[in-house]
Amino acid sequence: EAGVVQSPRYKIIEKKQPVAFWCNPISGHNTLYWYLQNLGQGPELLIRYENEEAVDDSQLPKDRFSAERLKGVDSTLKIQPAELGDSAVYLCASSLVGPPGELFFGEGSRLTVL
Amino acid sequence: GENVEQHPSTLSVQEGDSAVIKCTYSDSASNYFPWYKQELGKRPQLIIDIRSNVGEKKDQRIAVTLNKTAKHFSLHITETQPEDSAVYFCAASIRSRGSGNTGKLIFGQGTTLQVKP
Repeated sequence: EAGVVQSPRYKIIEKKQPVAFWCNPISGHNTLYWYLQNLGQGPELLIRYENEEAVDDSQLPKDRFSAERLKGVDSTLKIQPAELGDSAVYLCASSLVGPPGELFFGEGSRLTVL
Repeated sequence: GENVEQHPSTLSVQEGDSAVIKCTYSDSASNYFPWYKQELGKRPQLIIDIRSNVGEKKDQRIAVTLNKTAKHFSLHITETQPEDSAVYFCAASIRSRGSGNTGKLIFGQGTTLQVKP
């Protein structure tokens, strides 16, 4: 069974540029999460989707971050414009059941903002 | 806000020794406590979890204990092996006010475990 797929794995951009990350969850998983992981820290939830509905986006900095999950499958996380402090790993995860339950993480997208 | 504290931040043991990582949580309504292992450059993966209706759970060399009264839970790894070297994260579910937040996971800061051969 294919796991959660994310792309790109690595992205280097200059500050003020836009960037987008893509996630394909495990087939059949209705719940999708985007997490932010700073170096040496635990993952922090940015947004959670139940199918195509964002049910928890309280930690998403809405002035520069946006996300969508069209058709309730793939999801895209966008940052525009990027700032130096956005350098981190962006993890996507999915789960078969709504929280609380096992999260299946992708490999992550490592962003470096110069 | 709700938080999870994890200790120690780093842990070095000799192969064959036991390792213990401890976490405390603040939300008394938390009812789900998973542990994730993250190898360098890899994705976090669930290794064991426990729900609040049990006090201990074991899976081969790993076990988790939960003390609801004290609001802390611990990961125990026995007979450690070099392949156990990784970062371990604990997490606790919280029940925030407002719809959609039930069961949200709050992660600890992580413990880097090094098992020396």
